[in-house]
Amino acid sequence: KNQVEQSPQSLIILEGKNCTLQCNYTVSPFSNLRWYKQDTGRGPVSLTIMTFSENTKSNGRYTATLDADTKQSSLHITASQLSDSASYICVVRGKGGGNKLTFGTGTQLKVEL
Amino acid sequence: DAGVTQSPTHLIKTRGQQVTLRCSPKSGHDTVSWYQQALGQGPQFIFQYYEEEERQRGNFPDRFSGHQFPNYSSELNVNALLLGDSALYLCASSLEPNTEAFFGQGTRLTVV
Repeated sequence: KNQVEQSPQSLIILEGKNCTLQCNYTVSPFSNLRWYKQDTGRGPVSLTIMTFSENTKSNGRYTATLDADTKQSSLHITASQLSDSASYICVVRGKGGGNKLTFGTGTQLKVEL
Repeated sequence: DAGVTQSPTHLIKTRGQQVTLRCSPKSGHDTVSWYQQALGQGPQFIFQYYEEEERQRGNFPDRFSGHQFPNYSSELNVNALLLGDSALYLCASSLEPNTEAFFGQGTRLTVV
C-alpha cells in the first residue's frame, strides 16, 4: 500500500530558529514529491516540487531535499517567522495507475516568540 | 485570476440532511478533484472530474456524489449526513488530470 509518513507530528520552535521536517514514502513508481504549507482552515499551498532526478530545491527560506533511493525527503526552514506556523504536508504523486496523489498527515509547526 | 474558489466557506447541517458544496476551478483548468480533511489529518481523495465525468474515485461511499458542468465548475453532494462527515472539504483544480493541483480555501462542514 502506498504510504507517506511524516515526522515529527508536531513541533514548537522559537522565532529565528531553524527546523527540519521529515517525510518517508513507499509510493512506487514515483513521479514527483511536493511540500505544501496549510494554514489552519485554509487550503494547502505548494512550496516546492521535486522529481526523481532532483535532490534539492529552494523557495526562499524553505529548502527541500529528496533521496529517491531511500525514499526520504526533508523540508528545512531557515530563520523561522511567526507566519511559518502552519501544517506542512508532504504529497507524493505516483506514476501510472491514475497517477494518484498520496498525502502525508502533516507536521504541525508552531513558531513562538 | 481568482484561483480556485469554493462556497460556502462554512456550513452547519443536521444528521440525515443533504449538502451541496461548490467549486470554481482556476482559470484555464479543466480538472477538479475533491478531498475530505478531518481535523489533524491529511486530505483524503474523494473523486476527480474531467470532461464532465468522474474519472477516479477514492474509498468513499455512494452517499458522496459529484458533478462537473460544461464551464468546468463542480459540485460535491453528500446525502444522509453523518457526524463523521464533519471535515474541511477541499477542491483542487488542475490543467488536465495529472498536472499540478491548486487548492481552494475549503468548505468547513459541521454535522450536528
